[in-house]
Amino acid sequence: QKEVEQNSGPLSVPEGAIASLNCTYSDRGSQSFFWYRQYSGKSPELIMSIYSNGDKEDGRFTAQLNKASQYVSLLIRDSQPSDSATYLCAVNRENQGGKLIFGQGTELSVKP
Amino acid sequence: NAGVTQTPKFQVLKTGQSMTLQCAQDMNHNSMYWYRQDPGMGLRLIYYSASEGTTDKGEVPNGYNVSRLNKREFSLRLESAAPSQTSVYFCASSVFGTGAYEQYFGPGTRLTVT
Repeated sequence: QKEVEQNSGPLSVPEGAIASLNCTYSDRGSQSFFWYRQYSGKSPELIMSIYSNGDKEDGRFTAQLNKASQYVSLLIRDSQPSDSATYLCAVNRENQGGKLIFGQGTELSVKP
Repeated sequence: NAGVTQTPKFQVLKTGQSMTLQCAQDMNHNSMYWYRQDPGMGLRLIYYSASEGTTDKGEVPNGYNVSRLNKREFSLRLESAAPSQTSVYFCASSVFGTGAYEQYFGPGTRLTVT
């Protein structure tokens, strides 16, 4: 079992819809969770971090964390074609300092 | 602030050649990291440096060496390049933000070994 798993996609949604990206992790000692966006040919860009159970909202983005079920999700409201990218989930485990374990990424395509 | 910078942006090597990838950050971050990214494999940690003067192996360290030259700079060296090292290499640095370490990435180096 991979430590951090994401559906590889591609996930296709129409413009204006809600895109839902999911991530599960295997280590119950994981403490903090991150979502990165990566456009083709570019470097990963941090868009959300979350470390408490529940929801965290930032503009059109909402991160949701459920430690009991070991999953973290990212919702993108009012999806735009410019949101088309690969979204990487990353997990920081306990006592690992700043080291992150990344999932494979989910490719999102937003169709006009 | 330039953030995290990497040089070169592109490089082509022949098998057996050596080279050093350079990384620098101007955000006063303590920790720095080197990753490689391959299709279908995601981002894999090669080496990291928790603070100036320390380095540790990550998931895929074989064939690489690193030097944390000072707080700003963290270099990655390929002593004898192999085709399996063809990849995109990213450097990152991190700071402990509001309750979590947050990593920020450089633009990457695209390396081809023939």
